[in-house]
Amino acid sequence: QVQLVQSGAEVKKPGASVKVSCKASGYTFTDYYIHWVRQAPGQGLEWMGWIDPNSGVTYYAQKFQDRVTLTRDTSISTAYMEMSRLTSDDTAVYYCAAVGAIIAWGQGTLVTVSS
Amino acid sequence: EIMLTQSPGTLSLSPGERATLSCRASQSVTSSLLAWYQQKPGQAPRLLIYGASSRATGIPDRFSGSGSGTDFTLTINRLEPEDFAVYYCHQYASSPITFGQGTRLEIK
Repeated sequence: QVQLVQSGAEVKKPGASVKVSCKASGYTFTDYYIHWVRQAPGQGLEWMGWIDPNSGVTYYAQKFQDRVTLTRDTSISTAYMEMSRLTSDDTAVYYCAAVGAIIAWGQGTLVTVSS
Repeated sequence: EIMLTQSPGTLSLSPGERATLSCRASQSVTSSLLAWYQQKPGQAPRLLIYGASSRATGIPDRFSGSGSGTDFTLTINRLEPEDFAVYYCHQYASSPITFGQGTRLEIK
């Protein structure tokens, strides 16, 4: 079945970077854009950007444009989200989601930013 | 950017009742590419409905979606105790994809 499996929880200090992975299985990885969405504690869902796994083309929400980099490795059907210059406001669960004719979400990765 | 507004913010009902959740878009959602999710504390969103009215795999038939254009509805018939959660709508017709702010369904 279609599945997205994300890397484990991270604890980072302010100013550091974090890289979260999202491994896809059960479908052709290059067929659907991978979106990244985050959810701060007690808050709603916030879209961050997408990557086209086929071409590598990316599109970011303006808020994250200068701090987030989305990449992929098609040889292992894995997408990555890297965020730099972390602050406590970035403490959240980060999700990847394949969206198109199918919709599938990863299980989420908790990123905690604390000194 | 398509803004999605969900109403009500909180819905208080009893098990066995029917829940009707609304999602209004700021512009037409092409091809009814709208989904609904259920989220419980500490869990990832669970896909309930896609394409405005198609149930995802394994979703009970008491969940149904309807609507087109700018107005969409999620109906839950005969509420079960496990249905009390937060529900989000999501449009994936145009970039950026967007989400509603959520409706909290609580036990009365």
